Amino acid sequence: KNQVEQSPQSLIILEGKNCTLQCNYTVSPFSNLRWYKQDTGRGPVSLTIMTFSENTKSNGRYTATLDADTKQSSLHITASQLSDSASYICVVANNAGNMLTFGGGTRLMVKP
Amino acid sequence: DSGVTQTPKHLITATGQRVTLRCSPRSGDLSVYWYQQSLDQGLQFLIQYYNGEERAKGNILERFSAQQFPDLHSELNLSSLELGDSALYFCASRPGQGFTGELFFGEGSRLTVL
Repeated sequence: KNQVEQSPQSLIILEGKNCTLQCNYTVSPFSNLRWYKQDTGRGPVSLTIMTFSENTKSNGRYTATLDADTKQSSLHITASQLSDSASYICVVANNAGNMLTFGGGTRLMVKP
Repeated sequence: DSGVTQTPKHLITATGQRVTLRCSPRSGDLSVYWYQQSLDQGLQFLIQYYNGEERAKGNILERFSAQQFPDLHSELNLSSLELGDSALYFCASRPGQGFTGELFFGEGSRLTVL
């Protein structure tokens, strides 16, 4: 069964600190993995996309990694800001291009 | 602004009623996807349309139906509403018909069933 598991479910950090969110998946065959940021009550917005051959990709203070062998991805946020408070959703596409599997998300709260 | 427009933003109705949610995709996008997000839950895929035709179906209840019109806007119809249907309903669009590209989400329609 295709699944995407994210951890932790929720996280509270102080402004300026770093954090890492995890995503484990069993989707096969794998096509790509995206991290989305969803502000409360808003639609998700794509942060990064990782394909099979990519190990690391950065988007400003966000850095995503992918280990296709262990089927794990992480999203590292550097020097967190209050505006980083949101849910971060890991989404994996299968190679047939006919299915997306969503993780349950990690809810991040950045406190001053 | 993703370019995807959803109306209404908020809707309050009673059990047993029927509502219609509307989505206008980004200019040029042929695919529209509908998702349901219940309180503190993940996004659940409901249904996808591509250029007016149904392409994929997820966990959509029989009480729910959707269509995509020639101008590519889409409507999600929810009938015989139950309390558990209260949720955020998101529409997303993208140019192609697959699931590998980026989805552009609207701001959602928040449905409250009392």
